[in-house]
Amino acid sequence: QKEVEQNSGPLSVPEGAIASLNCTYSDRGSQSFFWYRQYSGKSPELIMSIYSNGDKEDGRFTAQLNKASQYVSLLIRDSQPSDSATYLCAVNNYGQNFVFGPGTRLSVLP
Amino acid sequence: GAVVSQHPSWVICKSGTSVKIECRSLDFQATTMFWYRQFPKQSLMLMATSNEGSKATYEQGVEKDKFLINHASLTLSTLTVTSAHPEDSSFYICSARDGVGEKLFFGSGTQLSVL
Repeated sequence: QKEVEQNSGPLSVPEGAIASLNCTYSDRGSQSFFWYRQYSGKSPELIMSIYSNGDKEDGRFTAQLNKASQYVSLLIRDSQPSDSATYLCAVNNYGQNFVFGPGTRLSVLP
Repeated sequence: GAVVSQHPSWVICKSGTSVKIECRSLDFQATTMFWYRQFPKQSLMLMATSNEGSKATYEQGVEKDKFLINHASLTLSTLTVTSAHPEDSSFYICSARDGVGEKLFFGSGTQLSVL
């Protein structure tokens, strides 16, 4: 069974700190990896995608992928209270469904 | 990113009635759309995969006769909750792959409350 795992949290960080969110996946055939942000009562919003090993930076967000370790992470620099949300990791093997992790709740304390 | 529109945003209905939720891809064609359900503080649960022009594929445990899915065009999929009961109250979210098929974008969700 293909699985995506995340710590449920909550992960609490002070404002201005770096938040580190982690995700592991079981399907070695996975090709593409995504991070979604979901505010309470809202639908998920795509914030990052990554397809090859290494780092990918977009503003305050950095996604890291290590296919050998089957590990994806998301770093949020200079965390803001507005970053407080649930972050969902999603994995896709082309042609098949996207598999979502359970999400990690992040709380950024002012 | 691609835009997926979902309506209504919220609906309140009486037990026993049916509710239809629409999901539209506004700026791309979506041969495949997905329907999820999410209870408060729980993770997304995939209900079914909607394929244009063919029958939907339902996940294990999801009643296909209760959750009717129609994907009649490349830009529209509908989910009808038939004979709704209070336990069907939930947040329903649709999603679609973008035109390239690489990324998944979500509609804004529908909060269903069955009295």
